[in-house]
Amino acid sequence: AQSVTQLGSHVSVSEGALVLLRCNYSSSVPPYLFWYVQYPNQGLQLLLKYTSAATLVKGINGFEAEFKKSETSFHLTKPSAHMSDAAEYFCAVTPGSSASKIIFGSGTRLSIRP
Amino acid sequence: DAGVIQSPRHEVTEMGQEVTLRCKPISGHDYLFWYRQTMMRGLELLIYFNNNVPIDDSGMPEDRFSAKMPNASFSTLKIQPSEPRDSAVYFCASSLQGAGGYTFGSGTRLTVV
Repeated sequence: AQSVTQLGSHVSVSEGALVLLRCNYSSSVPPYLFWYVQYPNQGLQLLLKYTSAATLVKGINGFEAEFKKSETSFHLTKPSAHMSDAAEYFCAVTPGSSASKIIFGSGTRLSIRP
Repeated sequence: DAGVIQSPRHEVTEMGQEVTLRCKPISGHDYLFWYRQTMMRGLELLIYFNNNVPIDDSGMPEDRFSAKMPNASFSTLKIQPSEPRDSAVYFCASSLQGAGGYTFGSGTRLTVV
C-alpha cells in the first residue's frame, strides 16, 4: 500500500527565507510523487511531479523537489519565499505509471512573515 | 481548455433536501474523481470513474451519496437527504491516466443548515 506523511501541519518562514516542506512516502513499488498547492478558496494545482526520470524535479513558481529513495523522501524547497507562496501544500503518491488513484497527504499550511 | 468546471460554486440548503453537484471534466481525460475536503478529515476520495464506469466507490460515506457519469463530459454527485455533517468543499478532478497528475476544479462549497 502507498502512503505519504507530511511533517508539520504548519510552517512559517520570513519573506526571502528558504522554504522547506517535508514529505516521506511509503510504497511497495517504485512510486510517482507529486506536490500540489491550494490557494484559499481554490482547487488544488499541480506544482511538480516525479515520474522516475531525473531525481531533482523543478516545478512552477520556483519550487523544486528531490526524490531520495534511500530516505524515502520527496521534500519541497524554494530558495527565497515570497508573500504569494502562502498556501496549503499537499504531497501525494501513486504506485507507478499503471496506477489511477493518487493518495494525498494531510497537507502543510505555509505562512510567510513580512 | 477551460479546465475542470464545477457548478454551483456555492450551495446552501436545508437539512433533508436533495443536493446535486455537477462536474465537466477536461475533454479527452479518461478518469474522473470526486473528493470531499473538510478541516477535520482533509481530502477524502469519494469515488472515481474510468471511461464513465465507476471503479471504486469505497469512499462514499453512505447510501445517501450517489454519483453518475452518463457520458465522458459530465458527472454528478447527489446527496439525498442532506445532513449538516455533509457540509464541506467537494472537488472534482480529471486526468489522462492518474499517474500524470490530476487537474482539479474550483470546488463546490456546500453548507447544509
